Amino acid sequence: NAGVTQTPKFQVLKTGQSMTLQCAQDMNHNSMYWYRQDPGMGLRLIYYSASEGTTDKGEVPNGYNVSRLNKREFSLRLESAAPSQTSVYFCASRGSGLNNRNLAKNIQYFGAGTRLSVL
Amino acid sequence: AQSVTQPDIHITVSEGASLELRCNYSYGATPYLFWYVQSPGQGLQLLLKYFSGDTLVQGIKGFEAEFKRSQSSFNLRKPSVHWSDAAEYFCAVGARNTGFQKLVFGTGTRLLVSP
Repeated sequence: NAGVTQTPKFQVLKTGQSMTLQCAQDMNHNSMYWYRQDPGMGLRLIYYSASEGTTDKGEVPNGYNVSRLNKREFSLRLESAAPSQTSVYFCASRGSGLNNRNLAKNIQYFGAGTRLSVL
Repeated sequence: AQSVTQPDIHITVSEGASLELRCNYSYGATPYLFWYVQSPGQGLQLLLKYFSGDTLVQGIKGFEAEFKRSQSSFNLRKPSVHWSDAAEYFCAVGARNTGFQKLVFGTGTRLLVSP
């Protein structure tokens, strides 16, 4: 029952350092998402991947890059970390279900999050 | 574009009392609506969803929510709160015309349960 797995769980970076947040899902889902969660702001979408080989910007993409490595994995990269990127990052995945054929699949499942501090 | 408002940042309820968490959305058509719960240090877990049909939907852990189109609301309710319900609750709206790809989340309501 792994679902969505994120690594690492915690990370502390210095300003200017780079790192990659990893996400993997074992539910054979087509779509994957990266969100950040900040106090008082809920979850905001950074990037998403509707299917393997495609990625699109969300609400707050600046300072981030993503890679949909294969159907299972969707990574988020910070090339030059800034204090404003201190946040909790969540990965999610969702099964396909277009045209109302299988609405039960149109649910996003979340990982446990990565807590990132940039000093 | 869709948006979600959760007007209550914090709510304190006595154990055993009833609960209602408010959610108002803005969207030009009938949206897809969700309630998620987040326990401390955890990811988000789906409580319930509304796609179509019966406007009163039942979820896990004894929660229910009612979609009211005229009020653009999707309030979450529970008749008797347990201490384990203390968590943060997020309402989210999904747009139908994007193939359900994106969700917009409210800012969350933190529920505190007093003995």
